[in-house]
Amino acid sequence: QVQLQESGPGLVKPSETLSLTCTVSGASVGRYYWNWIRQTPGKGLEWIGYVYNSGSTNYNPSLRGRVTFSVDTSRNQFSLKLTSVTAADTAVYYCASSLFGYFDPWGRGTAVTVSS
Amino acid sequence: EIVLTQSPGTLSLSPGERATLSCRASQSVSDNYLAWYQQKPGQAPRLLISVASSRATGIPDRFSGSGSGTDFTLSISRLEPEDFAVYYCQQYGSSPRTFGQGTRLEIK
Repeated sequence: QVQLQESGPGLVKPSETLSLTCTVSGASVGRYYWNWIRQTPGKGLEWIGYVYNSGSTNYNPSLRGRVTFSVDTSRNQFSLKLTSVTAADTAVYYCASSLFGYFDPWGRGTAVTVSS
Repeated sequence: EIVLTQSPGTLSLSPGERATLSCRASQSVSDNYLAWYQQKPGQAPRLLISVASSRATGIPDRFSGSGSGTDFTLSISRLEPEDFAVYYCQQYGSSPRTFGQGTRLEIK
C-alpha cells in the first residue's frame, strides 16, 4: 500500500523559497509519477506539476519559472521548491501519486503560510 | 487549459435521497480521462471514480460516474450520512491537469 507524507516549514517569509518534501512508502520514487497539488479557499485545487523517472518534470505553466522538483531515491523522497513566494502561495500543499493520470493516493497535506 | 465547471455549487439533500452532480468541460476531455474525488473537512481528497465511470477500489456501488466528451455526471444513489462532503472533478487527458471548483453536498 502506497503512503505519502508531506513535511516542511509551516511559515515562509514573502520573497523567500518554499521547500517541501514528500516521503513515500510502499513504492519506489524511481518509478511512477509524483505530483504536487495545492489548495486554497480562493482558487480551489491547483495542480503544480509532476516528476517521473527520477527527474523528468511537467510543471503547470501558471507556476513555471518559480517551481522546481527533485527526487532523492536514496531516501525515497521527492521535493518541491517554489521561489519568490507571496501571500498568494499560502495554501495546503499535497503530494500525490498518479500512475495513470488521476491522483491516488494523496498525502495528508501540509499547511504553508506566507507571511512576514 | 481545460476549464471544468461544476454545478450546482451547493446541493442540499436528505439521507436516502439521490444526488446528481455535474461537471462540464470547456473542451472535450481526451479519452474521457475524468476523475471524481470526495473531500471531507481536514482531509485530503479521496479518489472515487476514474475514466469517467470506473469506481476506485473500495468505493461503494452507490457511487457511479457517467458521461463523455464535455459533460460528466457523478451520481450517488442513496445518500448515507458519511457522503455529505465536497466533490471535485478533475481531468487528466491534457496538461495542465485541472480541477473543477467543487460541489458541496450538505444535509437538508
